[in-house]
Amino acid sequence: EIVLTQSPDTLSLSPGERATLSCRASRSISSSYLAWYQQKPGQAPRLLIYGASSRTTGIPDRFSGSGSGTDFTLTISKLEPEDFAVYYCQQYGSSYTFGQGTKLEIK
Amino acid sequence: EVQLVASGGGLVQPARSLTLSCAASGFTFDDFAMHWVRQAPGRRLQWVSGISWNSGVIGYADSVKGRFTISRDNAKNSLYLQMNSVRAEDTALYYCVRDRGAVLYFYGMDVWGQGTTVTVSS
Repeated sequence: EIVLTQSPDTLSLSPGERATLSCRASRSISSSYLAWYQQKPGQAPRLLIYGASSRTTGIPDRFSGSGSGTDFTLTISKLEPEDFAVYYCQQYGSSYTFGQGTKLEIK
Repeated sequence: EVQLVASGGGLVQPARSLTLSCAASGFTFDDFAMHWVRQAPGRRLQWVSGISWNSGVIGYADSVKGRFTISRDNAKNSLYLQMNSVRAEDTALYYCVRDRGAVLYFYGMDVWGQGTTVTVSS
């Protein structure tokens, strides 16, 4: 099983700042089968990024994904108040596994 | 509007059975693979099971293999999860999730329903 480890566990930033979230895999993820989700309290996860770097429909361009192999990054260029949430990475190249999540909180 | 409405959760005793259902609308159901994903309190999301568009390929997490059975009825736009021999560790919010494609292990997931809660306790 591919284990995904996200860092940091919690990230405290202010609106307008840049957020960088990391996801590291225990072994290489084939064909960049890596997705990022946003989850707000009481809501289901929402897909942001698939294929490591492709934004899904309706996601603002301040969200971007990058990386390959075992190291992946979600960047939010300029935080808006609605971006404070928990973010999960997921790999779907070898069964399906999720990271433990990064909580992005307002500083 | 794409909608996935899960139902059937509740309180169940250990070793008993429960069946979850998911009603899909707003898209062509048999164009997509489907999944069940669960989230226990304080724990990370966990994929439970997935099924391809025509039920030809089915996958399970090791933790539920042999106990849970996924199925779908394309004529009824519905997805199911038969849960047998349930355990305390199966307690979670169960999400019905659409895949981005018709087959498993290539496209990932996109649309998530609101989920139904399963509590296993005596």
